[in-house]
Amino acid sequence: GESVGLHLPTLSVQEGDNSIINCAYSNSASDYFIWYKQESGKGPQFIIDIRSNMDKRQGQRVTVLLNKTVKHLSLQIAATQPGDSAVYFCADPREAGTALIFGKGTTLSVSS
Amino acid sequence: GAGVSQTPSNKVTEKGKYVELRCDPISGHTALYWYRQSLGQGPEFLIYFQGTGAADDSGLPNDRFFAVRPEGSVSTLKIQRTERGDSAVYLCASSLGGKENEAFFGQGTRLTVV
Repeated sequence: GESVGLHLPTLSVQEGDNSIINCAYSNSASDYFIWYKQESGKGPQFIIDIRSNMDKRQGQRVTVLLNKTVKHLSLQIAATQPGDSAVYFCADPREAGTALIFGKGTTLSVSS
Repeated sequence: GAGVSQTPSNKVTEKGKYVELRCDPISGHTALYWYRQSLGQGPEFLIYFQGTGAADDSGLPNDRFFAVRPEGSVSTLKIQRTERGDSAVYLCASSLGGKENEAFFGQGTRLTVV
């Protein structure tokens, strides 16, 4: 069935390190992906998205890579800061205007 | 307000009681979504509104769950005969509609059924 998931439930890094959070998906027809960040006690917040006609997209300190061959995407955070500590989800919209399918999330912990 | 507002922020109810959770979307957003998030899990889709109509309610777990959006703005999620397993954070999101329009989430209502 359709699923979106992350490889590791937790990731611990030191402040200033680069972080890489991975996500695998199963639906070959998926053509658009979104990364969300969820801080404790808050709703998910959009970080960056990528369409399937791209293999890389960069934002401010974040880069998303998409490998359609192996159905994998990753979120790279440069110079990780304590404020980046949160749960990160990759999400796949099922069809235009309908629900996002979320994976279980990776908890990123950044220590000073 | 500027964002999606959900009330109450916390709700404790007894097993078997009826609860209503409210969502005020961003003004002008035609699409509204309800999700449920259990501890350690990603948000789980419940229902999606486009305007006043429920375009997709396939995520509602059973007939104890119902949601309305009578005027195409505020939405209420209603849970009848609550069970302890309904305890979770209920998240609401809104967007301009369409797959590639960003969905903005509220902070959620934490429901605890005792």
